[in-house]
Amino acid sequence: ETAVFQTPNYHVTQVGNEVSFNCKQTLGHDTMYWYKQDSKKLLKIMFSYNNKQLIVNETVPRRFSPQSSDKAHLNLRIKSVEPEDSAVYLCASGQGAGNTLYFGEGSRLIVV
Amino acid sequence: GDSVTQTEGLVTVTEGLPVKLNCTYQTTYLTIAFFWYVQYLNEAPQVLLKSSTDNKRTEHQGFHATLHKSSSSFHLQKSSAQLSDSALYYCALSDPGGYKVVFGSGTRLLVSP
Repeated sequence: ETAVFQTPNYHVTQVGNEVSFNCKQTLGHDTMYWYKQDSKKLLKIMFSYNNKQLIVNETVPRRFSPQSSDKAHLNLRIKSVEPEDSAVYLCASGQGAGNTLYFGEGSRLIVV
Repeated sequence: GDSVTQTEGLVTVTEGLPVKLNCTYQTTYLTIAFFWYVQYLNEAPQVLLKSSTDNKRTEHQGFHATLHKSSSSFHLQKSSAQLSDSALYYCALSDPGGYKVVFGSGTRLLVSP
């Protein structure tokens, strides 16, 4: 049963446009994450938030900006997309040290 | 920084035969958790196994793994592969706070009849 919800599931856009992905979790977890899964299936952490506070900010271009209104929501905005941003963006949540991550279905971005 | 290495990009095995997926890691943390995640086609990754105890075997769904801190390894094994095991498998480690989970590059397991 899905407990991490992502929208949209799929988005096609042109270079230079802005795109936003939304994520909501109903598990009551304190920590949420954004991961990027590229065409080679490499899974790279981008950001993590704990109770609305940014904890992890990997080397990500400045055009990416996460936003968290509360611990159940974590959005991702890409200000001016580039072709290399084409990927699946996976949202996840977890709770506590050594926690298991629960992933959403992913948001596939195609930049043309 | 922390890193996880999965040396095989693709592992093929015949149904009913044993399979082993390799995972080694580098970390500066003393207390840390290790995972195997599985991703089936067109699905999200999901946890398969988890361990943080040295030299203790962990089992789930017929798979097992043992964390060996002496060799920095957490290999995944199954004694008899099934067609339904065909998927992408990721080894991962979590920092002590759980704020950063680092994944290996993934190993695709293909089980053939």
